[in-house]
Amino acid sequence: DAGVIQSPRHEVTEMGQEVTLRCKPISGHNSLFWYRQTMMRGLELLIYFNNNVPIDDSGMPEDRFSAKMPNASFSTLKIQPSEPRDSAVYFCASSLGTGELFFGEGSRLTVL
Amino acid sequence: EDQVTQSPEALRLQEGESSSLNCSYTVSGLRGLFWYRQDPGKGPEFLFTLYSAGEEKEKERLKATLTKKESFLHITAPKPEDSATYLCAAINSGNTPLVFGKGTRLSVIA
Repeated sequence: DAGVIQSPRHEVTEMGQEVTLRCKPISGHNSLFWYRQTMMRGLELLIYFNNNVPIDDSGMPEDRFSAKMPNASFSTLKIQPSEPRDSAVYFCASSLGTGELFFGEGSRLTVL
Repeated sequence: EDQVTQSPEALRLQEGESSSLNCSYTVSGLRGLFWYRQDPGKGPEFLFTLYSAGEEKEKERLKATLTKKESFLHITAPKPEDSATYLCAAINSGNTPLVFGKGTRLSVIA
């Protein structure tokens, strides 16, 4: 099994630009999660999907953030426009709903 | 609001020096307590799930225990390859996703 695949691994962009992060979950997993990790705040849940349906997006910082899951094998997290305070590592994780999450290797975002 | 607090933030051990990491939680109707290991530049990797007070799980030099208020990750005779950040997370009876602590950064010196 290839595990959870995220792209890009690193992204450097300028303030105001649109950023799109991508995730391919493990085949057969029915839940997908987007987390953000910073030194100050640790791992924060942004949004999660169950069977491709967004269940809870209360962790999404503001309207600049949006996430989609058009099918069971793909999800995107978009930031538009990006700001320096969005700099963080963004993790995608998938699970069978048991609480045991399988994480990707993360996308490190730097907004200048 | 559910909370998970880990201590210490960082721990430096000599190789072979056993110690414990603490995870205290305030979760309504705990359904599971999870431990993950995170290496630099990687995503967290699952270690253990504990479901009820008194339960213990072991894996190599690691043993996780659970009480009604906290969990401990005991590291016996650690080796340098045990160096990592250890994260604790909890899930409540409402089945909402994992709430993570900020982690303990463990360094084991040869």
